[in-house]
Amino acid sequence: NAGVTQTPKFQVLKTGQSMTLQCAQDMNHNSMYWYRQDPGMGLRLIYYSASEGTTDKGEVPNGYNVSRLNKREFSLRLESAAPSQTSVYFCASSGIGTGNGRYEQYFGPGTRLTVT
Amino acid sequence: KQEVTQIPAALSVPEGENLVLNCSFTDSAIYNLQWFRQDPGKGLTSLLLIQSSQREQTSGRLNASLDKSSGRSTLYIAASQPGDSATYLCAVWDDYKLSFGAGTTVTVRA
Repeated sequence: NAGVTQTPKFQVLKTGQSMTLQCAQDMNHNSMYWYRQDPGMGLRLIYYSASEGTTDKGEVPNGYNVSRLNKREFSLRLESAAPSQTSVYFCASSGIGTGNGRYEQYFGPGTRLTVT
Repeated sequence: KQEVTQIPAALSVPEGENLVLNCSFTDSAIYNLQWFRQDPGKGLTSLLLIQSSQREQTSGRLNASLDKSSGRSTLYIAASQPGDSATYLCAVWDDYKLSFGAGTTVTVRA
């Protein structure tokens, strides 16, 4: 199993450009999440999807949109990028771990985005 | 709103010393607490998950305790090694989502 995968790994945008970050999981999890990580601030939740067909705002949703395309895929879109959106973006999914039977969260490797 | 604090922000120890990482949270009505490790430029790897009904959880050299009533968790790493150098993040499950601390960056000197 690949777990949680994200594309691209790195991206540089100019202010005002748009882009979509892709995320997919192969663990058959219902819940998926998008976070951003900034120095000294930990991870902050942007949007989450409790199940296919539903999405909800997290702590910092302004400037972002999401699409839960199917159970596997959850994309994050920046319609008009701003320098304040320079960050590392992580996708995650939640479900029962195969090793221990506990409900846990699993993370992708991240996308490093710079907006100039 | 759940607030999660990790102290200290950074820690440097000689190899072999035991590590003690602290996490505190403001709302004790949590489901679970999860400790993660993050290496520079990488994603998060889950280390331990403590269910709200448990007091501690162990995996190899790692032991995590949870005191819900006081809003605290502690991660102990025994006999530290240079390979333990990383950032350790504490996160509490609050219904549907995780709330994260800012992390403790650990350096183990050989």
